[in-house]
Order: sequence, then structure tokens, then C-alpha cells
Amino acid sequence: EIVLTQSPGTLSLSPGERATLSCRASQSVSGIYLAWYQQKPGQAPRLLIYGASSRATGIPDRFSGSWSGTDFTLTINRLEPEDFAVYYCQQYGTSPFTFGPGTKVDI
Amino acid sequence: QVQLQESGPGLVKPSETLSLTCTVSGGSINNYHWSWIRQPPGKGLEWIGYIYYNGSTSYNPSLKSRVTISVDTSRNQFSLSLNSVTAADTAVYYCARDRPDYGDYVGFDIWGQGTMVSVSS
Repeated sequence: EIVLTQSPGTLSLSPGERATLSCRASQSVSGIYLAWYQQKPGQAPRLLIYGASSRATGIPDRFSGSWSGTDFTLTINRLEPEDFAVYYCQQYGTSPFTFGPGTKVDI
Repeated sequence: QVQLQESGPGLVKPSETLSLTCTVSGGSINNYHWSWIRQPPGKGLEWIGYIYYNGSTSYNPSLKSRVTISVDTSRNQFSLSLNSVTAADTAVYYCARDRPDYGDYVGFDIWGQGTMVSVSS
């Protein structure tokens, strides 16, 4: 199974700052099938990024994704108050699909 | 728009079987794969398995011996059965839309709100 490692575990920032979240895969991700999800307390995860760099429908352009090899990055420019949440990366190219442990972005 | 809704008991006794159903509304269950995911309290997400509308399945090896996912296209529903449950199976269980037959494969683009299932005597 592909193991995803996310760093940092917690990112403490202020509104208006930039957040850079990392996700490293233990092996190549098939088809670059790597997604990022946002989860707020008591809510289901929401798809932000798919295919490592494509924004899902309705996602603001301050969210962007990139990758190099097995290293994936989610960048959130100009943090808004509603962006403070937990972010998970997921590979959905090879079964079993796996999630990273999450990065909490808090104030 | 397509919406998903999980339903089922919120409390299951140890060693018994957890059974949940996900109802798809606003669209057809056909031409998609559909997944179950769970999240223990305060922890991360774990993919349980998926089913295609024709009934073919794929399960997480960590749960494969205890899991069955089935589909009822006439009711636009798919279901999860997890047997021999223990306290470690206590979690919020989510259903989600997975791979489409046509178009881009974007991951899990639509999720249910989730349902909390506790395993306790």
C-alpha cells in the first residue's frame, strides 16, 4: 500500500498569510491521482484539488496544488478565516486508496 | 445536484454486524463507483472499499475479511456490512461518489454528511 506522510502536523498562521502543506508518497502515485481535501469540525471532507494540481468545482483560486516526483504540495495564498481546518491528501490511483494523517491549519 | 445520505443504527454491540445504507438522490447510481470511508473520533480517514453499479467491488485488505459492500440500483442505494465489530470500529462512516465511467477521475467529489456508529455493549 502507498503510505502518505504529511507535514507539518500543525501549521499556526494568521489570516492573510500563505500556507504551504506537504504530502510525500512512499512510491509513485499512479496517474498522478492525488487529491487534497479540507475538513472542518463536524463536517465531511470537501474535495479541493484533484490530479495533484486541478481545482475542484467552486474552489477559490487561492488554493493551488503542485508536485515533483512523489512530493506533493498544497498552497493556500492569503488565508481567509474559513480556511482554518484540517487538510488531508489522498492517493486514489492504486487500491487500497490511502489518506495522509492530515495537517491542521490553525490560528 | 447529487446528494448522499447515510442511514443505519448508531449503536452496535461487540461481535455483531454493522450495517449502513447510502441513498443517492438527485442523480443515478449508474456509471459510477461508490466508496465507504470511516473516521474514528479525533483521527484520520480510512478507505473501506468501493462498489461499481454492476456489483464489482474492491476492499481495503485491512478490513477485507469482515466487509461486504452491495448495491441496489432499483433503489439508488449501496450498503456496507462489517461483521465481528469491536470498539476499534467506532467511527463516523461516510459514503462518497468515486470514479465515473465518463469524464475526469477526480477522487471523492461528493460525500454524505456521515453517520456516527459506536460499538458498545
